[in-house]
Amino acid sequence: QITLKESGPTLVKPTQTLTLTCTFSGFSLSSSGVGVGWIRQPPGKALEWLALIYWDDDKRYSPSLRSRLTITKDTSKDQVVLTMSNMDPVDTATYYCAHYQWQVLGGYWYFDLWGRGTLVTVSS
Amino acid sequence: QPVLTQTPSASASLGASVTLTCTLSSDYSDYKVDWYQQRPGKGPRFVMRVGTGGIVGSKGDGVPDRFSVLGSGLNRYLTIKNIQEEDESDYHCGADHGGGSNFLVVFGGGTKLTVL
Repeated sequence: QITLKESGPTLVKPTQTLTLTCTFSGFSLSSSGVGVGWIRQPPGKALEWLALIYWDDDKRYSPSLRSRLTITKDTSKDQVVLTMSNMDPVDTATYYCAHYQWQVLGGYWYFDLWGRGTLVTVSS
Repeated sequence: QPVLTQTPSASASLGASVTLTCTLSSDYSDYKVDWYQQRPGKGPRFVMRVGTGGIVGSKGDGVPDRFSVLGSGLNRYLTIKNIQEEDESDYHCGADHGGGSNFLVVFGGGTKLTVL
């Protein structure tokens, strides 16, 4: 059974760097055809994709946030870490991590399972 | 990049059917979208992918047979038959675009489904 859980600070100040950790179980991020992504959702607004990391350490970032994001993995700990620099109140959101899976039948990648999310508030 | 548009809210009575729509921006009529269900207080879960030919691949784990999809033109539909209380959720559609360093994932604004 795959599970993912996000952890990190609930409150950060403007200009600070946010560090979030996704701790997962039920799969290995060293196995081919697997990835982990981060997605956020500001209160009352749409989901916004942030970043992806694949089993082979290939990475993808949202073009609009690329300069502020870094995603890394620690396969020994079954964790993926996302850092976002220069936080602003508009970054207040629930941050989700999700398992990214290659579906052989359909021939595509997709987010099949998500964590429950962690709410991060940016305020002085 | 594509823009996905969803009606903010929808409602249906217990046991009835409802169809939710995700509309792609023009020039993206060949794109497939993923439907996600997000129950209150939980993270989203994958429902299924849909293109103009219907479902692509298989449904997400545990998705009931009451859920089906169709695609036509710029619209991607999610239909829920015999609605149950547990179907009251936010439904999001998403699509990936581009490749390599230009890859990105976009989402619609979501539709809040209320079961009456």
